[in-house]
Amino acid sequence: QSVLTQPPSASGTPGRRITISCSGGRSNIGTNTVHWYQHLPGMAPKLLIYGNFQRPSGVPDRFSGSKSGTSGSLAISGLQSEDEADYYCAAWDDSLNGVVFGGGTKLTVL
Amino acid sequence: EVQLVESGGDLVQPGRSLRLSCVGSGFTFDDHALHWVRQVPGKGLEWVSGISWDSSAIGYADSVKGRFIISRDNAKNSLYLEMKSLRNEDTALYFCARDRTATMISHYGMDVWGQGTTVTVSS
Repeated sequence: QSVLTQPPSASGTPGRRITISCSGGRSNIGTNTVHWYQHLPGMAPKLLIYGNFQRPSGVPDRFSGSKSGTSGSLAISGLQSEDEADYYCAAWDDSLNGVVFGGGTKLTVL
Repeated sequence: EVQLVESGGDLVQPGRSLRLSCVGSGFTFDDHALHWVRQVPGKGLEWVSGISWDSSAIGYADSVKGRFIISRDNAKNSLYLEMKSLRNEDTALYFCARDRTATMISHYGMDVWGQGTTVTVSS
């Protein structure tokens, strides 16, 4: 059971926009920033969003993040087939004194 | 090129020990906190442990506390994970990851990841 809660799956057609939610609590998302990772099987995870909404250089602006209260959200617009991957949210947890991850959301581009 | 390369993964019997290593290159190693993150086959990412740039702050997931020890040698650009009393449930792909900040408690995302090293615990 992950500390952060994500939907196990999401799907969309090419060109559409989807959002993935991440629900936490006061000790993690409520106090600290949310980060998002893209993970393709057999590859190293890739940082997509850090600090709730900031994109590392090289990440397309089709990817955007937001936070409200104890929840974070990742939006992907203009869906592409190469966006098919697992997406994870994460945050520092002050109570656990460590990083907590969501259970991951498997995105399918139909 | 900025990179992290893990090594040390192996097949070990339950109750035995194993030491993982991670070498960084292409960046100033002691400017960053570092983490170990694992992925059990078919499951999601799980944070295992983290260490600040100067080793003054260290944290562990409850699932490994008391069995695993994280350490780093900045002179060798190396991160380590000493794993003791290994259990079947420790079987996973172990990633080394760089924090964007130097202090673990101000964690601001992990921006560089290695390819991982596989640990299999089985009799």
